[in-house]
Amino acid sequence: DIQMTQSPSTLSAFVGDRVTITCRASQSISSWLAWYQQKPGKAPKLLIYEASSLESGVPSRFSGSGSGTEFTLTISSLQPDDCATYYCQQYNSHYPTFGQGTKLEIK
Amino acid sequence: EVQLVESGGGQVKPGGSLRLSCAASGFTFSNFGINWVRQAPGKGLEWVSSINSDGTYIYYADSVKGRFTTSRDNGENSLFLQMNSLRAEDTAIYYCATSRSSYDNSFDYWGQGTQVTVSS
Repeated sequence: DIQMTQSPSTLSAFVGDRVTITCRASQSISSWLAWYQQKPGKAPKLLIYEASSLESGVPSRFSGSGSGTEFTLTISSLQPDDCATYYCQQYNSHYPTFGQGTKLEIK
Repeated sequence: EVQLVESGGGQVKPGGSLRLSCAASGFTFSNFGINWVRQAPGKGLEWVSSINSDGTYIYYADSVKGRFTTSRDNGENSLFLQMNSLRAEDTAIYYCATSRSSYDNSFDYWGQGTQVTVSS
């Protein structure tokens, strides 16, 4: 199985800050990587697919980059509504795997 | 509007069985793969199973292989998860989620989830 490792596990930042979350794959996954946002008690929401493509309706302050084994999710200017847990997911194989999650808090 | 509605969750004893359903609407169900993803209390997301658009290819996580069976009925726009030999570690919220396309298995639409609790 392909292992996905996110860092950091928790992150605290101010409104307006630029925030970056990193995801590393245990082997190359090309660009087959997605990012999700999950708020408490809610289903996950797709933000980014194919490493850098913004899902329809997602604010443009979210962006994704990377390929191979190293990927990042960036929020250009943190908003209060961005308080959530973020997960990366690889889908390079028929056996998708998720990172362990990054909990983002607002200072 | 795309809608996915899971049902069938509940409380069951270890070794018992449950059958989850996911009713889809608002899109051409037979054109898309669909998946089960679960989330144990306070934990992260775990992919459980995938089935392609016509049901000819089905994949399972090692943790459920041999105990869970995924199927779909394109005529009824429904996805199913038959769960047998349930264990305490199967306790989770179970979500169904659609695959974005035939080649892009990111999960673009999700249901609200159904709770499964395995406890004596």
